[in-house]
Amino acid sequence: GESVGLHLPTLSVQEGDNSIINCAYSNSASDYFIWYKQESGKGPQFIIDIRSNMDKRQGQRVTVLLNKTVKHLSLQIAATQPGDSAVYFCAENISQGGKLIFGQGTELSVKP
Amino acid sequence: EPEVTQTPSHQVTQMGQEVILRCVPISNHLYFYWYRQILGQKVEFLVSFYNNEISEKSEIFDDQFSVERPDGSNFTLKIRSTKLEDSAMYFCASRVTGGNEKLFFGSGTQLSVL
Repeated sequence: GESVGLHLPTLSVQEGDNSIINCAYSNSASDYFIWYKQESGKGPQFIIDIRSNMDKRQGQRVTVLLNKTVKHLSLQIAATQPGDSAVYFCAENISQGGKLIFGQGTELSVKP
Repeated sequence: EPEVTQTPSHQVTQMGQEVILRCVPISNHLYFYWYRQILGQKVEFLVSFYNNEISEKSEIFDDQFSVERPDGSNFTLKIRSTKLEDSAMYFCASRVTGGNEKLFFGSGTQLSVL
């Protein structure tokens, strides 16, 4: 069936290091992907998105990589800061109406 | 930046009671959604809404659930007879179009069914 999953449930990094959060998806028809950040008690906050006709997109301190061959998505955060500590979800768009399927989430913990 | 707003932030209700969760999507958005998140789990799609009708719904969205856009600004989720397993954080979301474009989420309503 359709699913979006994350490889690691938790990730702990040192402040200043780069973080890489991975995501696998199974629906080859998905054409749009989003990374969200969720802090405790808050709603998902958009970080970056990528369309299936791209393999890389960069934002401020964040980069998303898409490998359609192996159905893999990753989020790279440069110079990770304590404020980056949160749960990160990948999500795929699988319908014309914009329904998103979310992965399980990876909790990123940044040590000062 | 414009925000999706949700009220109340917390709702406690007794099993079997009706609840209405309220949302004000971003003003120029045309597509509206409800998602929910059970504690410690991933965000799950419930329903999408466009042009005053449901576009798509999940298996979770059974006959106990309904959505409505009663006026030009509000978007509501009603649960007719709440069950214990309805306890979750409910998120409203909106976007301008239904296609490949970022979806903006509200801060959620934490529903606790006792």
